Amino acid sequence: QVQLQESGPGLVKPSETLSLTCSVSGGSINSNSYYWGWIRQPPGKGLEWIGSISYTGSTYYSPSFKSRGTMSADKSKNQFSLRLNSVTAADTAVYYCARRDGRDGYHMFDYWGQGTLVTVSS
Amino acid sequence: QPVLTQPPSASGTPGQRVIISCSGSSSNIGSNTVNWYQQLPGTAPKLLIYSTNQRPSGVPDRFSGSKSGTSASLAISGLQSEDEADYYCAAWDGSLSMYVFGTGTKVTVL
Repeated sequence: QVQLQESGPGLVKPSETLSLTCSVSGGSINSNSYYWGWIRQPPGKGLEWIGSISYTGSTYYSPSFKSRGTMSADKSKNQFSLRLNSVTAADTAVYYCARRDGRDGYHMFDYWGQGTLVTVSS
Repeated sequence: QPVLTQPPSASGTPGQRVIISCSGSSSNIGSNTVNWYQQLPGTAPKLLIYSTNQRPSGVPDRFSGSKSGTSASLAISGLQSEDEADYYCAAWDGSLSMYVFGTGTKVTVL
């Protein structure tokens, strides 16, 4: 059974960088069958896709995050990460990491982490 | 902001059938498959329907999905109290080059 677990600071100051890591167990991020993604949910609001990274390291970002976001993967640790620069209060949200089916046309996220709340405040 | 529109709420009594709509455009629902996620209170979303009408292993057949043109629907038959949750549709948008979620629908079992 694949499990994902987000980790990182729960509090980030405005204008600083948000950094989160997703640890994957029960499966390899180096598998060509899957992509790995980040989705966030502001308190009381809906879901928002941030971006995805493939096993080759190719990254795909929502236009809303392309200028501020950076995703990377560490195959040796079976982890992938998200960095979001210049955060504001609007970036306060629960951040989820998730696994995406890698087949063309199958853009579903079938396994999710439990989520981690990141608050942006001074 | 979300590009897939859902009704904010839906409700029904136990045993009833509830249908949730998801309205999109030719660049998302009209040309790609639709996924549905169920989010129980305080938990992470769970994949409920993929490829418009397929259920992952373990999802009861009370849940079914369909689409017509640029709209999709999720039907919950034989509504149960444990179905109280938020439901989100989602699809790839080829024009925006991004995965888009619906606005979400809160289902209440009366």
